[in-house]
Amino acid sequence: GAVVSQHPSWVICKSGTSVKIECRSLDFQATTMFWYRQFPKQSLMLMATSNEGSKATYEQGVEKDKFLINHASLTLSTLTVTSAHPEDSSFYICSASLGGQGLGYGYTFGSGTRLTVV
Amino acid sequence: AQSVTQPDIHITVSEGASLELRCNYSYGATPYLFWYVQSPGQGLQLLLKYFSGDTLVQGIKGFEAEFKRSQSSFNLRKPSVHWSDAAEYFCAYAGGTSYGKLTFGQGTILTVHP
Repeated sequence: GAVVSQHPSWVICKSGTSVKIECRSLDFQATTMFWYRQFPKQSLMLMATSNEGSKATYEQGVEKDKFLINHASLTLSTLTVTSAHPEDSSFYICSASLGGQGLGYGYTFGSGTRLTVV
Repeated sequence: AQSVTQPDIHITVSEGASLELRCNYSYGATPYLFWYVQSPGQGLQLLLKYFSGDTLVQGIKGFEAEFKRSQSSFNLRKPSVHWSDAAEYFCAYAGGTSYGKLTFGQGTILTVHP
């Protein structure tokens, strides 16, 4: 149980275009989801916290106009990279809290999306 | 600010040897601690977590970790490593002012020699 499906697993796009990444909780309701970015050979950096039905909370230094997050339902959060540039190329991973904001249940992660902007 | 430190960037062990991956955290109260494993190009899989109670935590794939408050550590161990354990391992923390968010260590890459 507690599976998070992330799609697509990889995408190549042209500079200046937008790309949408989906994160779905398959067998549970995820009131809170998190979006991370991982550069090669580096750790995961939290970009934003997505709460169903409300605006996402972005971490310091993350451009909210470039990385649009929508969490319109209890099973779906999307990250849209707008006007993508080569420096946006990275590995993006979503995560869902299994107990809302409660820590007692842990977190489950999607399989990640490799974005390459050419 | 709270932080998680994994002192070892890369560890190499022989198959069958024991393994210990180090993790230190900086936070005064009892944290929520996790160990995740990531294979190349993949997401993260939870190995184990500590919230409270018994300080020795058993996880999947034969891994265990021990929470030591006096040392602010949560080291991951496995008595006998298999070649399939080669991956990157992340220690993570949640709690305090970062309540609800995971803060990750830098990661430790494990290489297993046959």
